[in-house]
Amino acid sequence: GAVVSQHPSRVICKSGTSVKIECRSLDFQATTMFWYRQFPKQSLMLMATSNEGSKATYEQGVEKDKFLINHASLTLSTLTVTSAHPEDSSFYICSASGGGWQYFGPGTRLTVL
Amino acid sequence: GENVEQHPSTLSVQEGDSAVIKCTYSDSASNYFPWYKQELGKRPQLIIDIRSNVGEKKDQRIAVTLNKTAKHFSLHITETQPEDSAVYFCAASIGGNTPLVFGKGTRLSVIA
Repeated sequence: GAVVSQHPSRVICKSGTSVKIECRSLDFQATTMFWYRQFPKQSLMLMATSNEGSKATYEQGVEKDKFLINHASLTLSTLTVTSAHPEDSSFYICSASGGGWQYFGPGTRLTVL
Repeated sequence: GENVEQHPSTLSVQEGDSAVIKCTYSDSASNYFPWYKQELGKRPQLIIDIRSNVGEKKDQRIAVTLNKTAKHFSLHITETQPEDSAVYFCAASIGGNTPLVFGKGTRLSVIA
């Protein structure tokens, strides 16, 4: 299957700082990428849909000013968690859509101290 | 929007027995139903999927059935092995570049 990478795999930051997570589709062009968040022992919840060249669409309850998404190319989408707080600590997973299939990245575990 | 319910939340089976996980969905427009296996700390891995033009699909020990009229689909694992222990998620979407809506997951434990 297609390969999607995420960087970093783990990040620990202090409260109030910003963290950027990159999601790349390595061998196909993804016009759409999705960002999910998964709290411990819970399911994956969609945060936002990212379309190349346009503004992201956020799910209800997700603050667009806090979770900045940029999808500047067909192979890269970034999620920036601004002014992170301990409650933002979670597993963030992107998926890239291509050819009717979705491929997940390996995830980024964010811990905010 | 779409709502996916998944049952049971936990399931324990003896090695060699079968395991069945069931999901229901609400949006009749959904036509793509994947199943993911997630091991601790790792990304979900697609194990099998089915589209609405098919009622059943099988891949070795894993099978998925779909009843569009009743809006439910099920995962069947036969001859379970300890390495099948993981959390399994069902999902639904209307296909194309649309997001998946996930069930809450089933923690499967296969006891040797």
